[in-house]
Amino acid sequence: DQQVKQNSPSLSVQEGRISILNCDYTNSMFDYFLWYKKYPAEGPTFLISISSIKDKNEDGRFTVFLNKSAKHLSLHIVPSQPGDSAVYFCAASVDDKIIFGKGTRLHILP
Amino acid sequence: NAGVMQNPRHLVRRRGQEARLRCSPMKGHSHVYWYRQLPEEGLKFMVYLQKENIIDESGMPKERFSAEFPKEGPSILRIQQVVRGDSAAYFCASSAVGVSAFFGQGTRLTVV
Repeated sequence: DQQVKQNSPSLSVQEGRISILNCDYTNSMFDYFLWYKKYPAEGPTFLISISSIKDKNEDGRFTVFLNKSAKHLSLHIVPSQPGDSAVYFCAASVDDKIIFGKGTRLHILP
Repeated sequence: NAGVMQNPRHLVRRRGQEARLRCSPMKGHSHVYWYRQLPEEGLKFMVYLQKENIIDESGMPKERFSAEFPKEGPSILRIQQVVRGDSAAYFCASSAVGVSAFFGQGTRLTVV
């Protein structure tokens, strides 16, 4: 029973272009959504979050969009940089319990 | 995430032994989460604790696994009688109010 789904295991994007990572969820009770970035052999690093009462949150090159009616959120990275190559986890929270997706591996191509 | 300390970073155990994984949350954080990451898998929720209380252990295997977060000291994830399938990376995260959790570097458990 996967409540948070990241359907693309991997994504390749040219350096300088926009990277769009997608995430779908099934539980309408989720009230907070988060994106984490993970390098090999390291713990996940918090990137950006959004409350369910908003539809957009921006922080520098990172923007998260939330479409509650579609139960869909996305992370936009622009412009993409080589250091953005990592695994990105989408996560959702309800009652302080955080559920993660399986992750999308982003490759930034030179 | 440097504030959440996990030790050891690497742990090797023989089948049947016990594994103890420790997590010291960031200062001021009273919520601790444990997650497991199997090879080629995402992060699987195991347990959510607050000081001296288990809030949600719905992701914990029913047998051999236990977790605690005492009033003093780190949170401990204990795995008794380890088997090869327990080999994974175990991550701990902490938060102050239950969102925007910060992760430690993880403990890599290898069962031989």
